[in-house]
Amino acid sequence: EAGVTQSPTHLIKTRGQQATLRCSPISGHTSVYWYQQALGLGLQFLLWYDEGEERNRGNFPPRFSGRQFPNYSSELNVNALELEDSALYLCATTSRSSGNTGELFFGEGSRLTVL
Amino acid sequence: GNSVTQMEGPVTLSEEAFLTINCTYTATGYPSLFWYVQYPGEGLQLLLKATKADDKGSNKGFEATYRKETTSFHLEKGSVQVSDSAVYFCAMIKAAGNKLTFGGGTRVLVKP
Repeated sequence: EAGVTQSPTHLIKTRGQQATLRCSPISGHTSVYWYQQALGLGLQFLLWYDEGEERNRGNFPPRFSGRQFPNYSSELNVNALELEDSALYLCATTSRSSGNTGELFFGEGSRLTVL
Repeated sequence: GNSVTQMEGPVTLSEEAFLTINCTYTATGYPSLFWYVQYPGEGLQLLLKATKADDKGSNKGFEATYRKETTSFHLEKGSVQVSDSAVYFCAMIKAAGNKLTFGGGTRVLVKP
């Protein structure tokens, strides 16, 4: 069974541009979480989608946005890129049955570099 | 608010040494607690979990016990291997369907 897949693996942009990152969940998973892992290790919660709806949002400016499609895949969009947006963006998914247990399945991430 | 605090790394050990990574949480009620591991170049994966007080999670020789009285969930392994070199994250989930809150991560390097 395929795991959580993210694309692109690496992305290089310049300040002011827009970046779009994509995530495909494990088959049967309906919830998608996005986390930012900046240099220094910490994971910061960005967004949570479930059944096509945004359920929760972390403390990030509105230029971070996303959506979830009918097939439960998801996009994360970052507008007006700033240097400090350089980070590894991790997508994690879970099913309705395991979502309440907190077990998330992570992709390998998309590394965004802003020059 | 809800938060997870874990010891800062890096932690450098020799093979077969004992490993402890401290983790404490702040939350009202009774969260579920987790340890995730991130091996070099990979995404995070669940290592172990505990959902109620006094539960012990264990996997791959690692153990952690949910201590409500000290709000802690320290990770231990009696004899580490080079392959245990990774970043370890303590995390909690406060309520059903809520987001997972992570600690800052602890990098562990095991030398042969």
